[in-house]
Amino acid sequence: NAGVMQNPRHLVRRRGQEARLRCSPMKGHSHVYWYRQLPEEGLKFMVYLQKENIIDESGMPKERFSAEFPKEGPSILRIQQVVRGDSAAYFCASSPVRAGGYEQYFGPGTRLTVT
Amino acid sequence: DQQVKQNSPSLSVQEGRISILNCDYTNSMFDYFLWYKKYPAEGPTFLISISSIKDKNEDGRFTVFLNKSAKHLSLHIVPSQPGDSAVYFCAASGGNQGGSEKLVFGKGMKLTVNP
Repeated sequence: NAGVMQNPRHLVRRRGQEARLRCSPMKGHSHVYWYRQLPEEGLKFMVYLQKENIIDESGMPKERFSAEFPKEGPSILRIQQVVRGDSAAYFCASSPVRAGGYEQYFGPGTRLTVT
Repeated sequence: DQQVKQNSPSLSVQEGRISILNCDYTNSMFDYFLWYKKYPAEGPTFLISISSIKDKNEDGRFTVFLNKSAKHLSLHIVPSQPGDSAVYFCAASGGNQGGSEKLVFGKGMKLTVNP
């Protein structure tokens, strides 16, 4: 049973380019979360999605960032016109249909470097 | 505003002894607490969780204690093993609007277990 998959694992972008990060949840999981970790910091929530719906985007920067989880295919976190401050590790997590617990299972992360 | 705090950045213990990792929170609406372990360049791995209706949960060498009145939880690892050396994150969830299950993380604590 494959875990949460993220690709690419490492991504280098120049300032002003676009970054696309992909996440495939665990089999049977319909909830996807994106978190960002800056150096020496904990993980910060960005967005929570279910298939074709954004449930909570309270942690997303107001500009340049967007996320989707289409009916078919992986969830995508898109960062337009990247700046150096976007350099971070981006983690995706998934959980099954809500059943009382809130365990989220994380992927290996995508490390974005903006040069 | 740091709602989940891990005030000690690091801890060093001898193999075989007990490791105690502490976590404090400020939001009284949190009702579910989790501990994650993270190795460098990997995603967080779920360890153990506890609901606010309990004060203790045990899984093998790992025990989590919750003191709701003090808004404090701790993770006990006994006996500690060198493979436990990692960064440990405390996380909390609950009280979110719209049913969001986002996790709020502490900054992490680096545990080193010496052979």
